[in-house]
Amino acid sequence: AQSVTQLGSHVSVSEGALVLLRCNYSSSVPPYLFWYVQYPNQGLQLLLKYTSAATLVKGINGFEAEFKKSETSFHLTKPSAHMSDAAEYFCAVTQGSSASKIIFGSGTRLSIRP
Amino acid sequence: EAQVTQNPRYLITVTGKKLTVTCSQNMNHEYMSWYRQDPGLGLRQIYYSMNVEVTDKGDVPEGYKVSRKEKRNFPLILESPSPNQTSLYFCASSLAGGPYEQYFGPGTRLTVT
Repeated sequence: AQSVTQLGSHVSVSEGALVLLRCNYSSSVPPYLFWYVQYPNQGLQLLLKYTSAATLVKGINGFEAEFKKSETSFHLTKPSAHMSDAAEYFCAVTQGSSASKIIFGSGTRLSIRP
Repeated sequence: EAQVTQNPRYLITVTGKKLTVTCSQNMNHEYMSWYRQDPGLGLRQIYYSMNVEVTDKGDVPEGYKVSRKEKRNFPLILESPSPNQTSLYFCASSLAGGPYEQYFGPGTRLTVT
């Protein structure tokens, strides 16, 4: 069965520093992978997704992620953190041949230090 | 405005009292889904629906029911709520399953005493 592991429930970086949020997945079939962001008291919104096209995926707000099949990873990065990036981030993978079920990771809370 | 709406946004109830959380989308999406969010556990899928009259279990379906009689609506029913169903619930919709982006509602915070 597919699963998602997000390393680090809480990551803190300084404003302007590199953001790296880690996501590893397991999947028996080629997966679709997603990163969603949740701002306080809001629903989730899509940052970016991998759908078997380019392995380096660019998303909104300067975020990007690289699909590495050999490492079963889909880490999220941003070169320079901004205070507005403070939020919770979720990695997700589709499950099953029809990709109808979706498994979310446990989330990583990103804090930005001034 | 394209959106997913949920009602109510907040609900406090007692054990065993049946309740329904409504979910509606205005984007003509085929796929709809319910999740619960608990601290440290992320989002877990309760039920999903690929199309009208087609529903299937997610990872945590016990204690919940759903129906999909119309494309736009996907209510979540708790026949006999228990305290372990206290959680934050999200409805989401997408064009279809698979690689498509899900659009999430604002959430319903449910407390069962």
